Amino acid sequence: EVQLVESGGGLVQRGGSLRLSCAASGFMLSSYTMSWVRRAPGKGLEWVSSSGASGTTTFYADSVKGRFTISRDNSKNMVYLQMNSLSAEDTAVYYCAKRDGGTYFDRWGQGTLVTVSS
Amino acid sequence: QSALTQPPSVSGSPGQSVTISCTGTSSDVGTYDRVSWYRQPPGTAPKLLIFEVNNRASGVPDRFSGSKSGNTASLTISGLQAEDEADYYCSFYTNINTFLFGGGTKVTVL
Repeated sequence: EVQLVESGGGLVQRGGSLRLSCAASGFMLSSYTMSWVRRAPGKGLEWVSSSGASGTTTFYADSVKGRFTISRDNSKNMVYLQMNSLSAEDTAVYYCAKRDGGTYFDRWGQGTLVTVSS
Repeated sequence: QSALTQPPSVSGSPGQSVTISCTGTSSDVGTYDRVSWYRQPPGTAPKLLIFEVNNRASGVPDRFSGSKSGNTASLTISGLQAEDEADYYCSFYTNINTFLFGGGTKVTVL
C-alpha cells in the first residue's frame, strides 16, 4: 500500500527555517516525481515544488523560489523540503504528493502544519 | 500564469446533480487535457477523483464525471450524497512543469 508520511512541521519565528520530511513506502520512490503542495488557513491548495525522479531536476512556485529547496534520498525513501526566510504567508499545512503520469497527483500524505509567528 | 477560477460554493439536495466549473484560458485548459480534480473533506488530505479531464481514478464511483468545453473544465457529481460534502479543487499541469490550482469549491448537501 502506498503511504506518504510527512513530519517536521511546527511553530517557527518569522525569518526562521524549517525542514520538512516525507517518508514514502509501498512504491519505488526512484521512479516517480514527487511534489509539495500547501494549503494556508482559509485558502485553497497551492503547488510549492516538484523534484524529478532522480532529484536532478527541481521546480518551484514563484512564491518560494530562492527560499525553499526540495531534495530527496531515494535510498532512504525520503523527500525533503528545506524552508528558509519564512514569513507569515508560509503558514499552511504542507502535503507531500506523488505524481503519476506527470500531470496529476495520485497519492497524498496527511500533511504537516507549519506556523510562522511574527 | 494565473490560478484557475472556480465558484466558491455549490449546493444540492440528496440525489440531485451538481456541477463545478473550472475556468482557465486558451493557453492552458483550452488547449491541453491536463486537468485533474481532487476532493478534500474537512481535516483530511486531498484525494484524486479525475485525471486528464474525464478519467476516473481507481475506486472513484461513476457518480463523478469530468468534461471540458472551450476554456472551462467541469466536474459533475450525480446522485449527491451526504458524504460528498467537501472542498473540491481543479488543477492544471503547465508547459513549464508547474501546477495551477483553482480556488476550491465547497459542496454542501442540503
